[in-house]
Amino acid sequence: LAKTTQPISMDSYEGQEVNITCSHNNIATNDYITWYQQFPSQGPRFIIQGYKTKVTNEVASLFIPADRKSSTLSLPRVSLSDTAVYYCLVGGSHYNNNDMRFGAGTRLTVKP
Amino acid sequence: GAVVSQHPSRVICKSGTSVKIECRSLDFQATTMFWYRQFPKQSLMLMATSNEGSKATYEQGVEKDKFLINHASLTLSTLTVTSAHPEDSSFYICSAPGLAGGPRDTQYFGPGTRLTVL
Repeated sequence: LAKTTQPISMDSYEGQEVNITCSHNNIATNDYITWYQQFPSQGPRFIIQGYKTKVTNEVASLFIPADRKSSTLSLPRVSLSDTAVYYCLVGGSHYNNNDMRFGAGTRLTVKP
Repeated sequence: GAVVSQHPSRVICKSGTSVKIECRSLDFQATTMFWYRQFPKQSLMLMATSNEGSKATYEQGVEKDKFLINHASLTLSTLTVTSAHPEDSSFYICSAPGLAGGPRDTQYFGPGTRLTVL
């Protein structure tokens, strides 16, 4: 079973900031949190990864509270091209099948 | 960044035939690869873990005799759908862990293979 829970869908408008929260109540001490983006008929693409507090890269930020039971992916000023499904994965090893089961993901639709 | 390729990108076959899908890590070695299946509007479903030089580990409910996995080298894993039927029509995706430049490895996914069984 997947270790995470996310909203099934979200709508936004161009230029807005979008925050997608993922719940992972049973996260283990050595687990990292990784977010992926998937466009239709393509393989998922790595967005960002973190362990605690805040991580920022050129495309997104990841906020992780102290208890690490949830995380929030923040996409600044979304555009139409950000319409995709976003998945969060929690795991300590990317070689372990237990850490590679996807949840339902969040389908983000960005409107003009 | 790391690149994973899949071949073919799409295949159409008749019911009862076998189809082989290749997954290659192009610029890194992968002792482990993962195979997923994805139906329309659904999430990725992990099918099996492919291990170089040893047997694959299949998820519960996935028939190992139907979905044959061979990981013969550090850059190539193959998934063979044997005696394919229309219900096997799906989008098949592979992934391999590789260094992302960050503190932990992450997964690099192939572009997927669209299988249609008539």
